[in-house]
Amino acid sequence: DIQMTQSPSSLSASVGDRVTITCRASQTIGRYLNWYQQRPGKAPKLLIYAASRLQSGVPSRFSGSGSGTDFTLTISSLQPEDFATYYCQQSYTTPYTFGQGTNLEIK
Amino acid sequence: QVTLRESGPALVKPTQTLTLTCTFSGFSLSTSGMSVSWIRQPPGKALEWLALIDWNDDKYFSTSLKTRLTISKDTSKNQVVLTMTNMGPVDTATFYCARSLYSGYDYWGQGALVTVSS
Repeated sequence: DIQMTQSPSSLSASVGDRVTITCRASQTIGRYLNWYQQRPGKAPKLLIYAASRLQSGVPSRFSGSGSGTDFTLTISSLQPEDFATYYCQQSYTTPYTFGQGTNLEIK
Repeated sequence: QVTLRESGPALVKPTQTLTLTCTFSGFSLSTSGMSVSWIRQPPGKALEWLALIDWNDDKYFSTSLKTRLTISKDTSKNQVVLTMTNMGPVDTATFYCARSLYSGYDYWGQGALVTVSS
C-alpha cells in the first residue's frame, strides 16, 4: 500500500497568514493527489484534485502543487472559516490512502 | 443535484456483521468512470479508505480489511451496500460513502456513526 505522510500534524496560525501543508507519498503517484478540508462534525470537502486543480466553488486562496512523491497545499491568506483539519489522499492506485491529517488551529 | 445518504444500524454487537447502504441521486453508477467508495473515521482519528465499486462492477478493498468486507451495487435502486463482518469495538466509527468521477471524492454523504458495543 502507498503510505501518505503529512506534515505538520498540527499548525497554529493567525487570520491573514500564509500556510503550507506538505504531503509525501511512499512511492511515486504522478499527480494523483487530492486535498480535503474537514470541519468538526462534517464530511470532508474536496478542495484540490489532480495535485493542483481547484474544485469548483473553492476559493482561489487555496492552491496545490507537486508531483511524484511531494505535494503541498497552500492557503494564501487564512480566513476564520479555514480553521479545520486537512487531509491528502492518493488516487493513483487502490487501495486509495489518506494522510493522517493536519489540524489547523487559531493562534 | 448530487446527494448521497448512508443508512444502517447505529449500534452493533461485537462479532456481528454490519450492513450499510448508500442511497444516492443525481448521478448514475452506470456512467463510465463513476465510482462509489466507503470511507470510515473513528472518533477523533483520521479518514480510512475501505472499499470502492465502479461503473464496471470492479471492486477494490483495503488491504487490511479485505477479508471482512464486501461491496455491491444495485444500479436500478441507486444503492451501494457495504458489509463488514466480525465487528469489534475498534470498528466504532463514522462511515461515509462518497462519489468519484475519475479523480477526487467530490460528493460525500453526511456520515453514519456506528458504535460497536455489547
